[in-house]
Amino acid sequence: TQLLEQSPQFLSIQEGENLTVYCNSSSVFSSLQWYRQEPGEGPVLLVTVVTGGEVKKLKRLTFQFGDARKDSSLHITAAQPGDTGLYLCAGAESGSARQLTFGSGTQLTVLP
Amino acid sequence: NAGVTQTPKFRILKIGQSMTLQCTQDMNHNYMYWYRQDPGMGLKLIYYSVGAGITDKGEVPNGYNVSRSTTEDFPLRLELAAPSQTSVYFCASSYVGSGTNYGYTFGSGTRLTVV
Repeated sequence: TQLLEQSPQFLSIQEGENLTVYCNSSSVFSSLQWYRQEPGEGPVLLVTVVTGGEVKKLKRLTFQFGDARKDSSLHITAAQPGDTGLYLCAGAESGSARQLTFGSGTQLTVLP
Repeated sequence: NAGVTQTPKFRILKIGQSMTLQCTQDMNHNYMYWYRQDPGMGLKLIYYSVGAGITDKGEVPNGYNVSRSTTEDFPLRLELAAPSQTSVYFCASSYVGSGTNYGYTFGSGTRLTVV
């Protein structure tokens, strides 16, 4: 079973600051996703990356997939209070797309 | 678009009682999943299904059962509720094709308390 490690576990920043969240593993992923979860709701898919070195942008969010497909990062520019939530990465082990393994998450709080 | 619909949203059970958590998706996704989420423990896979009539165990299947008679529905059954099953349960679906899992659509969850 692959292990996905996310860091940091908790992050509290002021509105307008930039931040980066990391997701690392010793395993190779066939695909990797990032989700955001708000209290009382299910996680919502933000992005899927499938190609090593791939960079995707979603407004102020930039997602990068490592060249070796073992790690990923999420960078938020000029964070806003609406970005507050639990950010989860999840990966499908190379050769097995049946299920995703989730990281334990990064709880982000953006203070006004 | 309804996506993934879970019912009920909240439930309190007594030890030893049984219940079924309902899950329906309208996106024609081939794969469906049940996860539980405990504080600080992340999402743990209970059961999953790759298509109607096919189910398989996940990481934490003990105390649960599932069935998948149609593409749309994937109910989760708790037979003898125990306090350790107090958790938030999420149903999810995904499309898997050409060896790639394109990501999950989650329901809004069922918060279950066993007392």
